[in-house]
Amino acid sequence: AQKITQTQPGMFVQEKEAVTLDCTYDTSDPSYGLFWYKQPSSGEMIFLIYQGSYDQQNATEGRYSLNFQKARKSANLVISASQLGDSAMYFCAMRPTSGTYKYIFGTGTRLKVLA
Amino acid sequence: NAGVTQTPKFQVLKTGQSMTLQCAQDMNHNSMYWYRQDPGMGLRLIYYSASEGTTDKGEVPNGYNVSRLNKREFSLRLESAAPSQTSVYFCASSFDGLGNQPQHFGDGTRLSIL
Repeated sequence: AQKITQTQPGMFVQEKEAVTLDCTYDTSDPSYGLFWYKQPSSGEMIFLIYQGSYDQQNATEGRYSLNFQKARKSANLVISASQLGDSAMYFCAMRPTSGTYKYIFGTGTRLKVLA
Repeated sequence: NAGVTQTPKFQVLKTGQSMTLQCAQDMNHNSMYWYRQDPGMGLRLIYYSASEGTTDKGEVPNGYNVSRLNKREFSLRLESAAPSQTSVYFCASSFDGLGNQPQHFGDGTRLSIL
């Protein structure tokens, strides 16, 4: 069965510092995609970054990067130069590339950026 | 630039009442989804639809029904609401051509069952 685990219910980071949010996954599918979403206090879900299981390089999108370690089945989100507006819930998600269209979500990590 | 539109945004029901949550997307996506979000539990899939005319159960389908009316619309119905169904409900859609497409979410419906 597929599963996403986010072991950090809450994290604090000082403004302008980098922070890593952990995500481990379990799947038997040979090909899959990993996604990170941000949910600010206003409630909407915002897509941040995508990593394919066969991508050779770690994904980057502006201040967001994904530390993908396939052998360890981890896909940690790194936010560089944290800003107050980064305070939010962050969700890791996964789905197989083919077959089922189901996305599996972790329970999320609440990040608080301190001034 | 509407994306995924959910209605209503807020609703209060009494136990036993029924209601339908509406969702529409204008991105020509194939797949649509309904999730519920509860504190500490992330997003749990209720039902999804890979294409018009097809629906499949997710992780927590009990107490819900869905209809994929056409490619754009996917509704979620609570036939007899229970307090355990108090939650925030999200509709999402995605284009599944290559499996690398993110989901696009509506703004959510905050539903309270008294």
